[in-house]
Formats: sequence, C-alpha cells, structure tokens
Amino acid sequence: AAGVIQSPRHLIKEKRETATLKCYPIPRHDTVYWYQQGPGQDPQFLISFYEKMQSDKGSIPDRFSAQQFSDYHSELNMSSLELGDSALYFCASSLPGGGTDTQYFGPGTRLTVL
Amino acid sequence: GESVGLHLPTLSVQEGDNSIINCAYSNSASDYFIWYKQESGKGPQFIIDIRSNMDKRQGQRVTVLLNKTVKHLSLQIAATQPGDSAVYFCAEIDYGGSQGNLIFGKGTKLSVKP
Repeated sequence: AAGVIQSPRHLIKEKRETATLKCYPIPRHDTVYWYQQGPGQDPQFLISFYEKMQSDKGSIPDRFSAQQFSDYHSELNMSSLELGDSALYFCASSLPGGGTDTQYFGPGTRLTVL
Repeated sequence: GESVGLHLPTLSVQEGDNSIINCAYSNSASDYFIWYKQESGKGPQFIIDIRSNMDKRQGQRVTVLLNKTVKHLSLQIAATQPGDSAVYFCAEIDYGGSQGNLIFGKGTKLSVKP
C-alpha cells in the first residue's frame, strides 16, 4: 500500500539558511499534519491543512511557513535556521473527513543545522 | 511539552512474555486515543486506537485499555517478540479543541530480550 512520502530524507544546512521540506500524502488523503521531534522527545504538532486550507496551528515558529497545494502535497518552509531547529520532521496524512481519522506518518526528514 | 531528554522510561521484557505500557493523558475532553510504535530513525507507526466511548479494544496481539476516570491508557502486547522493540507513544485528540492534531505522551522504550 502507498505510504506518506517525504523528501528529502536528510538535510544539512548552515545557520541562517533556508530549507524546504516536502510531503506527499497517501492517495485520496486530503489532510496533512506536520510534526517536529527533537532527540529523545515526543513529536510536537506544528501545523495542519485540510483541503488546501490551514486548519490548525501548533508550536510553529514565525520563521516557518507551510502550504498545501492543489495535488494535496504540502511543503514546510523554514527560514533563518537556528541550531535548535535540528530535529526530525514528520508529515502525517489522514482520510477524508477533516482529520477525524487515523494519521499515518511518513518516514521523516532529518534536518541538521550546523 | 516537558522534555525528558534522552532518558526515556524503559521497559525490559523477556521474549514470549506479555508487556504492559502505560500512559497518563492530560485532557479529560479528549475523544480519541492512539498508540504508535516508533523504531529508530523511522516515523511513528499506527498500532491501535480507541474512542472515548469505549474502555477496551483488541487487535492482533495488542489490547488497549482506557480508564477515563483516572485518565489512563495502557497497551498490552501478548507474547512479546524481538521485533516489538521500539519506542511506544500514546497520543490523544480533542476534536472539540482542535482540528484533529495529535498530542503525544512521553514515549516508553520497550526492549525485548531474546
């Protein structure tokens, strides 16, 4: 079965650079969530989209922005990167219903900021 | 949430024994609870879920118990196998307070000895 695809899988950036993470949800899933997971920590919700509109916002820094496109893929844009942004970034998608069903996670993008 | 750094609670069991992983959740209004399994370097993998109008749900080798009185969730794994070794997270959703984003509990590292 098709799963959530994230790219790139690994990314190394310098401080103050920008990064773009991409997420391709499971086919027919219209809701996308982004989570950040620091080392040894639980995933923290950043932002979500339903039918290409932002539906909820969590602890996402103002330096980050995201959007969902017409094909339902989503991109997380990160600017002025800081050392503390180094983490695993997961995207999850869920079935039609505005996020009322199980979220399936992608493999994550490991971002390292030097 | 509060960080536990790299020192996750650990449960060590012998192969073939039953495992019980516990989780205390925070929001008495949460409607939906999920257990995820996360192997090193991978995204959280759905195991089993339960709605707040239930107190028990069984899957293949796994059972989730929900005690709303004390806001406690547990995951029981029967006949634990080496492949069950991973970090386990409980997560909750309050549909009245959000659009479905997951609030993760602190993970528990399960280590299965052959």
